[in-house]
Amino acid sequence: GAVVSQHPSRVICKSGTSVKIECRSLDFQATTMFWYRQFPKQSLMLMATSNEGSKATYEQGVEKDKFLINHASLTLSTLTVTSAHPEDSSFYICSATRQTSNYGYTFGSGTRLTVV
Amino acid sequence: GIQVEQSPPDLILQEGANSTLRCNFSDSVNNLQWFHQNPWGQLINLFYIPSGTKQNGRLSATTVATERYSLLYISSSQTTDSGVYFCAVAMAGANSKLTFGKGITLSVRP
Repeated sequence: GAVVSQHPSRVICKSGTSVKIECRSLDFQATTMFWYRQFPKQSLMLMATSNEGSKATYEQGVEKDKFLINHASLTLSTLTVTSAHPEDSSFYICSATRQTSNYGYTFGSGTRLTVV
Repeated sequence: GIQVEQSPPDLILQEGANSTLRCNFSDSVNNLQWFHQNPWGQLINLFYIPSGTKQNGRLSATTVATERYSLLYISSSQTTDSGVYFCAVAMAGANSKLTFGKGITLSVRP
């Protein structure tokens, strides 16, 4: 199967600091990964598309200077929340798919970020 | 962009009952998935079903692509089926992004 690992699962940070979240495809190569954000009792909203070896594509309204995405290899994408504030507290989740998948997209287990 | 509507928004069942969850989408898709989000936030992929019918135990799903809807059937519901069910779709194109519906919150009571 296609396994996506995401770390950390939970993080608490102080306002003004930065937090890095890692998303790894464990048993396949992913040229494209996706980052979503989910607020309580809401659906998943796509933040950005992470492309290996090139700049990420951000959705409208998502600050690219605040949410830094790096896709340095075919198995790793990172999301860094810079100068975090309490309103950035949310559930962040990544996904990826095999190029020839008949199983669709696989999601990581998510990261619950709390900014205090 | 593509619109995804799920209904009903909330559903309460007695254990053992059957249910049907619906997903309507506004454009042609080449990817449709049903997910169950557990209390810890993990998205469990239930079905990858851009068209046709699939079954997995007590769950089955049908997508009628020409009419732009998909149905998820849960039979003999159990309390562990409780949670939020999402439908997500992607349009044609390599690595096209998934768009999620708002979800259906299912509560199965013992």
